Amino acid sequence: DAKTTQPTSMDCAEGRAANLPCNHSTISGNEYVYWYRQIHSQGPQYIIHGLKNNETNEMASLIITEDRKSSTLILPHATLRDTAVYYCIVRVTSGTYKYIFGTGTRLKVLA
Amino acid sequence: GAVVSQHPSRVICKSGTSVKIECRSLDFQATTMFWYRQFPKQSLMLMATSNEGSKATYEQGVEKDKFLINHASLTLSTLTVTSAHPEDSSFYICSASNRGGRGNEQFFGPGTRLTVL
Repeated sequence: DAKTTQPTSMDCAEGRAANLPCNHSTISGNEYVYWYRQIHSQGPQYIIHGLKNNETNEMASLIITEDRKSSTLILPHATLRDTAVYYCIVRVTSGTYKYIFGTGTRLKVLA
Repeated sequence: GAVVSQHPSRVICKSGTSVKIECRSLDFQATTMFWYRQFPKQSLMLMATSNEGSKATYEQGVEKDKFLINHASLTLSTLTVTSAHPEDSSFYICSASNRGGRGNEQFFGPGTRLTVL
């Protein structure tokens, strides 16, 4: 199963873009990259996912490198409510499509 | 859409008793449900995967006789922690997936905090 590596923690000023990196160097060609976030004592919330192309939705943008070995989640204008743990996940494509969670990045948005 | 609920949200029980946690997909049919546990300041650890109508698949190191999983319908899965002990105290989270949905993403419930005295 592909593993992900993320920085343990990051700070970001309110209103600025938050760029959260993730390494997944052992990713296979048909494995998707998913991003979720977890606010304290809640279930994870889906943010975005992608395979090869960059993706954008109302919450964030996902930039995947051409070799697919790393990606960056971008929150364009971070707010205090974006303070959470952000998980980058490579979804297993065979069988049950399970997620293997890494340690995540604890993002703190500062006023 | 894609709402997943869990019940109860919080439970306290005595050591040696069994506790059942329900996970429901409210507005879609979940072909697969997953159960995770999370200790304080740690990441989510997958415990098992269940498909409707079949036996759950447990991750390595998870005792299937201690953590009983039943996925009797496309909207309900239950996790029973049998003979609970203080070391079973944790945050239990379920997720549900509909393979027909966008990208097969998982939708997570709000979690159940179990405290065993």
